[in-house]
Amino acid sequence: EPEVTQTPSHQVTQMGQEVILRCVPISNHLYFYWYRQILGQKVEFLVSFYNNEISEKSEIFDDQFSVERPDGSNFTLKIRSTKLEDSAMYFCASTRLGRLQSPLHFGNGTRLTVT
Amino acid sequence: DAKTTQPNSMESNEEEPVHLPCNHSTISGTDYIHWYRQLPSQGPEYVIHGLTSNVNNRMASLAIAEDRKSSTLILHRATLRDAAVYYCILGGGANNLFFGTGTRLTVIP
Repeated sequence: EPEVTQTPSHQVTQMGQEVILRCVPISNHLYFYWYRQILGQKVEFLVSFYNNEISEKSEIFDDQFSVERPDGSNFTLKIRSTKLEDSAMYFCASTRLGRLQSPLHFGNGTRLTVT
Repeated sequence: DAKTTQPNSMESNEEEPVHLPCNHSTISGTDYIHWYRQLPSQGPEYVIHGLTSNVNNRMASLAIAEDRKSSTLILHRATLRDAAVYYCILGGGANNLFFGTGTRLTVIP
C-alpha cells in the first residue's frame, strides 16, 4: 500500500537556524498538509496546500514557516529561524479529495529538536 | 470546529470487543464523523468515517445514534496492536482535521 514518507526521521538544529522538513506524499493525491505535535500534547493543524498554493493555515503558521512543492513529488516545510518552542513531531499528510471525502494519510513524522 | 467529547482513557482485555464512545451534541447535518488513531511513535492513521448509517470496514465498525449526537467505534476483537489514542473528529465541509485529546486505549494481555 502506498505510504507518505518523511525525511529525516529526526532533525537536531540550533536555535535561529533554518530547517527544511521533507515529505513525499502519495502520488495521486492532490491535497497536502502539515501538522505538528509537541510532546504530550494534541496534534495541531499547521497548513493545507492545494493546486500549488496554501488553502488554509493556522495561527501557528506565522511568517517563520513556509511550504513548497518544488517538483511533482516533494512537499516541504521550512522554518526560517527556529525557536526552542518549535521542538515537536511534524507530520505530513496527503489525500486525494478535498473536504475530507477521502481519508488523510499521514507519514510517521520528523522529530525536530531545537537546542 | 465542532466539538466532540471522549473519555480520556479506556482499558480492554485482549481478544474482547471494545466500544469507544464519542459525544457530539452540536453536530450539524453535514458533519461527517471521522475516527483516526495514533499508535505510539507513529502518525495518525485513518480508521473509519460515516454520516448517518452504521459503517463497517476491515478495521472497525462505526455505530451512529439515530439523532447523530453520539457515535461508537467498535473494535470487534482487540489486539495488543490496537493500543493507541483514538480520535473522534467532526469534519463538516472542512478540508482539515482538528484533533482533540482522544481516548487512550490500553489493551491488557
